[in-house]
Amino acid sequence: EVQLVQSGGGLVKPGGSLRLSCAGSGFTAPGFSFTDAWMSWVRQAPGKGLEWVGRIKSKASGGAADYAPPVKGRFTISKDDSRSTLYLQMNSLRTDDTAVYYCTTGRWGGEAHWGQGTLVTVSS
Amino acid sequence: DIQMTQSPSTLSASVGDRVIIICRASQSISTSLVWYQQKPGKAPNLLIYKASTLYSGVPSRFSGSGSGTEFTLTISSLQPDDFATYYCQHDDSYPFTFGPGTKVDVK
Repeated sequence: EVQLVQSGGGLVKPGGSLRLSCAGSGFTAPGFSFTDAWMSWVRQAPGKGLEWVGRIKSKASGGAADYAPPVKGRFTISKDDSRSTLYLQMNSLRTDDTAVYYCTTGRWGGEAHWGQGTLVTVSS
Repeated sequence: DIQMTQSPSTLSASVGDRVIIICRASQSISTSLVWYQQKPGKAPNLLIYKASTLYSGVPSRFSGSGSGTEFTLTISSLQPDDFATYYCQHDDSYPFTFGPGTKVDVK
């Protein structure tokens, strides 16, 4: 069973930086290793709906990342296959970046596997 | 960017009811549509992908249909565990936007 365990949230001041991590395990299905996985970040502001943040392709598919307009140029998604870990580097944080952040992945369509979520609070 | 809308925003229903949630895309997305269920304080659960393919382990009372710009999620007979918020999301082209959600609560 795929498991995604997140770490790295917390309180940060506006303009600050934070890096979230997402450690993957249990990728045992043939053709679906952590290396093969395309992975995403989704966030949810308190009391609000889900917001797609971005996605990174596997290295075999080019390894590129794409981002939602509100975070483009400020957030960077990376993936260390040797450590089975996904990262979200967040710079120039704003108060409206306050949210629970989820890492996700899926194989056939949609995000089937989600981390437990980590709260990022941007406040002075 | 493709915008997603859902209706209704809130739906009050009873156990055993047939429930239908509508999701619309601002332009054609073929069948690149995903449905999720989320309960308070929990990560979402994948229900349906490619508009109508039931994800493994999801009860058969859930079904999805549609293509182009209009999609539906149907719960054939609402169960106590189904009171939750439901989101659609397109995965046609970046950014993969979500709908605003439909909360199904107790009538």
